[in-house]
Amino acid sequence: DIQMTQSPSSLSASVGDRVTITCRASQSISGYLNWYQQKPGKAPKLLIYDASSLQSGVPSRFSGSGSGPDFTLTISSLQPEDFATYYCQQSYSAPRTFGQGTKVEIK
Amino acid sequence: QVQLVVSGGGLVKPGGSLRLSCAASGFTFSDYYMSWIRQAPGKGLEWVSHISRSGATIYYADSVKGRFTISRDNAKNSLFLQMNSLRAEDTAVYYCARLGRPDTGAPEDYWGQGTLVTVSS
Repeated sequence: DIQMTQSPSSLSASVGDRVTITCRASQSISGYLNWYQQKPGKAPKLLIYDASSLQSGVPSRFSGSGSGPDFTLTISSLQPEDFATYYCQQSYSAPRTFGQGTKVEIK
Repeated sequence: QVQLVVSGGGLVKPGGSLRLSCAASGFTFSDYYMSWIRQAPGKGLEWVSHISRSGATIYYADSVKGRFTISRDNAKNSLFLQMNSLRAEDTAVYYCARLGRPDTGAPEDYWGQGTLVTVSS
């Protein structure tokens, strides 16, 4: 199985900060890397797919980059509604695997 | 608009069975692969299974292989997860989700609200 290692596991940031979360794949995933946001008690929401494509309706302050094995999710200017947990996921092969999550908290 | 409504969760004893359903609307259900993904209380996301448009191609996580069965009824716009020989470690919120395009590398772009399955004596 492909292992996805996400870092950091948590971070504290202020509104307006630039935030970067990293995900490393244990083998080639050909750019099939997705990022999700999850708020407490809610289903995950797709933010970025195919490493760098912005899902429709997602604010442009979210961006993704990387081509393997390292991928990055960047929030250019953190907003109050962005405090949540973020997960990367590889959709290159089954079983699909997620990173362990990054909780973004208010500083 | 796309809607996925999950039902069938509840409390079940170890070794028991449960069948989850996911009712889809707002899109042509038969055009999309579908997934089940779960999340144990306070833990991260774990992909469980997905099924092709016709149901001919199915994948499972090793943790559920041989115990869980995914299926679909395209005429009724419904996805199912039959869960047998349930264990305490299967306790989780179960989500159904749609793969956002007709290839196996697609992300899960729409998710249902989830249903809690609790396995406990």
